[in-house]
Amino acid sequence: NAGVTQTPKFRVLKTGQSMTLLCAQDMNHEYMYWYRQDPGMGLRLIHYSVGEGTTAKGEVPDGYNVSRLKKQNFLLGLESAAPSQTSVYFCASSYGPGKYYGYTFGSGTRLTVV
Amino acid sequence: GQQVMQIPQYQHVQEGEDFTTYCNSSTTLSNIQWYKQRPGGHPVFLIQLVKSGEVKKQKRLTFQFGEAKKNSSLHITATQTTDVGTYFCAGCGSGAGSYQLTFGKGTKLSVIP
Repeated sequence: NAGVTQTPKFRVLKTGQSMTLLCAQDMNHEYMYWYRQDPGMGLRLIHYSVGEGTTAKGEVPDGYNVSRLKKQNFLLGLESAAPSQTSVYFCASSYGPGKYYGYTFGSGTRLTVV
Repeated sequence: GQQVMQIPQYQHVQEGEDFTTYCNSSTTLSNIQWYKQRPGGHPVFLIQLVKSGEVKKQKRLTFQFGEAKKNSSLHITATQTTDVGTYFCAGCGSGAGSYQLTFGKGTKLSVIP
């Protein structure tokens, strides 16, 4: 049972380039989330999804887009990368809302934008 | 919006000493969850508390939810080097439509052998 798998684990981008981060979960979870983690800032929610075909904005959505075409996958896109998007990105999933269920996190993607 | 504050930001303890981190919210929470992130790792769910005044234990870890459901604490007895990491609390507001967790910024624990 793999849990939550994120690809890639590391990436270096040049300013203005685009990329997609993939998150896949095999736990049949309805809810999926993308967070970014920066030193001293904790975990900040970028976008989330409460089910296949749905997405919603989190705390820091600007510069990112997401898609949830399949229940098990949640994609995070950066259309034109900026140095301010250098961060560690975590995907998480949960069976239901955080009000009732804990989150399972992936191992993260370390992104550097130069 | 919902804010969850954690103190202290950093804590250095000698191995064998106790450690406590505190989580405070300006508004009533419906639940509190605790996560541990090892250095270079990802957050891992530890526990959830939902009842006012609730206390739960996991071996040397004791979790408490305040009577007013606005604060919580995590206490580690006799720390070990395996306890090193950042501990996050996270909670949902108690209002209608509050379903997503808000995370605190975490307390980074260092244990000196």
